[in-house]
Amino acid sequence: EVQLVESGGGLVQPGGSLRLSCAASGFTFVSYWMTWVRQAPGKGLEWVANINHDGSGKFYVDSVKGRFTISRDNAKNSLYLQINSLRVDDTAVYYCARGGEAFAECQHWGQGTLVTVSS
Amino acid sequence: QTVVTQEPSLTVSPGGTVTLTCASSTGAVTSGYHPNWFQQKPGQAPRALIYSTSNKHSWTPARFSGSLLGGKAALTLSGVQPEDEADYYCLLYYGGDWVFGGGTKLTVL
Repeated sequence: EVQLVESGGGLVQPGGSLRLSCAASGFTFVSYWMTWVRQAPGKGLEWVANINHDGSGKFYVDSVKGRFTISRDNAKNSLYLQINSLRVDDTAVYYCARGGEAFAECQHWGQGTLVTVSS
Repeated sequence: QTVVTQEPSLTVSPGGTVTLTCASSTGAVTSGYHPNWFQQKPGQAPRALIYSTSNKHSWTPARFSGSLLGGKAALTLSGVQPEDEADYYCLLYYGGDWVFGGGTKLTVL
């Protein structure tokens, strides 16, 4: 069974940093693209970033370029999102998702971790 | 900035049929946008339904189908069940990154 468990969320002041983690199990982690998606309270889904199998390819939504960094450690079956220069509008539940075959983006999802940016 | 547009809300009767659409500000949606569709119920993580326009996941109920319709991606629910009441999101591919639509709130009434 595919399992994705996010951690690292919390309350942080504007301008601060956080590192989100996603522990993967139940599948061969190195074989799949991985993605971060966020959802602000009461709002829709926003695709944030994804990373290819070996970490050599990364894509980001324009609004986070230069502030967010996606990475992975295939030896630890883990996905990460380093978030710097946090803003109030970064407040959201951050989901980790696994891709599938044939452009099946976000085939499996974790339960999310809440990031709250407030002074 | 690319915008993906969905109907904000739709209402359907139990047993009825409804089609949700997904449009791109860049022009007609084609198979090259690899449309994906997701369902999200309150308090839950999203669940994938459709990928690459019309392909179903192993868990996707048969009453859900995906297609291209009039320059848009479309998700059709046939024989709607009360448990289909949820938010539905499309996701389109733009040659590297992806963009979600704003979502459609489907009410079964």
